[in-house]
Amino acid sequence: GAVVSQHPSRVICKSGTSVKIECRSLDFQATTMFWYRQFPKQSLMLMATSNEGSKATYEQGVEKDKFLINHASLTLSTLTVTSAHPEDSSFYICSAREQGRNEQYFGPGTRLTVT
Amino acid sequence: GEDVEQSLFLSVREGDSSVINCTYTDSSSTYLYWYKQEPGAGLQLLTYIFSNMDMKQDQRLTVLLNKKDKHLSLRIADTQTGDSAIYFCAERDTGRRALTFGSGTRLQVQP
Repeated sequence: GAVVSQHPSRVICKSGTSVKIECRSLDFQATTMFWYRQFPKQSLMLMATSNEGSKATYEQGVEKDKFLINHASLTLSTLTVTSAHPEDSSFYICSAREQGRNEQYFGPGTRLTVT
Repeated sequence: GEDVEQSLFLSVREGDSSVINCTYTDSSSTYLYWYKQEPGAGLQLLTYIFSNMDMKQDQRLTVLLNKKDKHLSLRIADTQTGDSAIYFCAERDTGRRALTFGSGTRLQVQP
């Protein structure tokens, strides 16, 4: 199957700082990318959907000014957690889908810890 | 809205078959997916089925879909210890591009 990478895999930051997470599709062009958040022992919660070259669509309850999403190319989307707080600590997972295809592939996730 | 439900835990012995069940509510679901997640890792796409199909088989994996009851199952034949993981079922309807996930079923395979 297709490969989606995320960087970094783990990050620890201080409260009040910003953190950027990258999601890349390595061997296909991802017209749509998704960002999910997963709390321990829980399912995945969709945060936002992004299409290349346009603004992301955020799910209800997700602050777009706090979780900045950029999808500047067909192989790269970034999630920036601004002014991070300890409650933002979580496992963030991206996924990507090629236009016209049904498979949705996931990255390995990024563990964010805010101290 | 969409709702996807799964049982939380399943324990089987190595070599036995595992059956993981999932129910969904959205009648317009068109694609149903099974993903595997190992500890600290992302999700691995195992298989998916289109809603006009009843069954799909891929090596040790068999997916059965009962559209009337909105019930989906994943059968793993000859379960191995390496199959121990959390299995998520997810659905996507024609109006959405994102997936809606169930809570995940933790499969424990005992040697």
